[in-house]
Amino acid sequence: GENVEQHPSTLSVQEGDSAVIKCTYSDSASNYFPWYKQELGKRPQLIIDIRSNVGEKKDQRIAVTLNKTAKHFSLHITETQPEDSAVYFCAASRRASWGKLQFGAGTQVVVTP
Amino acid sequence: EAQVTQNPRYLITVTGKKLTVTCSQNMNHEYMSWYRQDPGLGLRQIYYSMNVEVTDKGDVPEGYKVSRKEKRNFPLILESPSPNQTSLYFCASKNRGETQYFGPGTRLLVL
Repeated sequence: GENVEQHPSTLSVQEGDSAVIKCTYSDSASNYFPWYKQELGKRPQLIIDIRSNVGEKKDQRIAVTLNKTAKHFSLHITETQPEDSAVYFCAASRRASWGKLQFGAGTQVVVTP
Repeated sequence: EAQVTQNPRYLITVTGKKLTVTCSQNMNHEYMSWYRQDPGLGLRQIYYSMNVEVTDKGDVPEGYKVSRKEKRNFPLILESPSPNQTSLYFCASKNRGETQYFGPGTRLLVL
């Protein structure tokens, strides 16, 4: 089955700096890669996603890149703000089992003023 | 308002006492799923359902049961809870090609 590894497990950045989280996946048939943000005590919420026919997607300060050959994808947050502090999860799923998401272990991001 | 609801939100129980956590969605989603979240382990899928009367095991199904008799409901059943099932549980739902929505979570403590 699919295995998703996420690094780093914790990330501390100064406000205004960029943050990068990387995930690798094992199943070459995976074709959908969402990122979720979970604030303390809240549910995970989708912040951005990318499909395998696209190499990069951007939404304001957030971007995701995908390298299908190397089987890894990354989340980039620019100009970080204190409200970006949260746990971020990457995930992957295959077209054939479109409902089943395999999650990474999560990255705790702390943005210090 | 489109949403996924779970009940109860918090539950303290004792080993061996059967319990059910309910999950309901009002978005007519085909797919529903249960996850447990433990520190350092991320979100691990327990069971999922692609449609009514169709359920399948996720990555950590041992000790859990589910049923999908109606499209909107997907209860999680712990027949004989044990302390290692102490966790934060999330229900989720989606349709093909759409975003997955999570419920608010149920924090379970098994003594």
